[in-house]
Amino acid sequence: GNSVTQMEGPVTLSEEAFLTINCTYTATGYPSLFWYVQYPGEGLQLLLKATKADDKGSNKGFEATYRKETTSFHLEKGSVQVSDSAVYFCASGGGGGATNKLIFGTGTLLAVQP
Amino acid sequence: NAGVTQTPKFRILKIGQSMTLQCTQDMNHNYMYWYRQDPGMGLKLIYYSVGAGITDKGEVPNGYNVSRSTTEDFPLRLELAAPSQTSVYFCASAHRVGAYEQYFGPGTRLTVT
Repeated sequence: GNSVTQMEGPVTLSEEAFLTINCTYTATGYPSLFWYVQYPGEGLQLLLKATKADDKGSNKGFEATYRKETTSFHLEKGSVQVSDSAVYFCASGGGGGATNKLIFGTGTLLAVQP
Repeated sequence: NAGVTQTPKFRILKIGQSMTLQCTQDMNHNYMYWYRQDPGMGLKLIYYSVGAGITDKGEVPNGYNVSRSTTEDFPLRLELAAPSQTSVYFCASAHRVGAYEQYFGPGTRLTVT
């Protein structure tokens, strides 16, 4: 079945450092791909998405490119801030028929230190 | 625009008690979902619904029940609460087939002692 694998955390960075969180997927067909962010004590919020190969999703300085050849959707940000500290989830959708179900990775905790 | 709302925010139950977690969305979304998130873990799908009157089991349905009598509401019922149900519960909704992005509520933190 479909699955999503993302790098384990926690990831600890200093402010203004470069961020990469790796995410790979397995799927039949070509799923839509998402990054969600969960700030402490809150629900998940959609951060960015890409719906087809070579699409780049971007939001709030974060970017991720849908790479079909490597089945990857790595999250990047050039200069992280303390306010980016959160748990980041990679997810894929499209392999579950007409249920609209998403498959989530296990989440990566990012801690940014001043 | 409230989006997805959940009540209560926090609840402590004793073993064997029952309760209903409420979820309401005002976006006229057909699809709704219940997840649980255990400490340090990802999300596990409990139940989902593709429209009023239609529900189906997810990965971890045991110990839970749902109903979907209206498009807006998707309550989750816990019968005979057990410590293993201590978790944070999230409700989410999505618009239509093919629009996979889901919109999440703020969560309900449940402790069973």
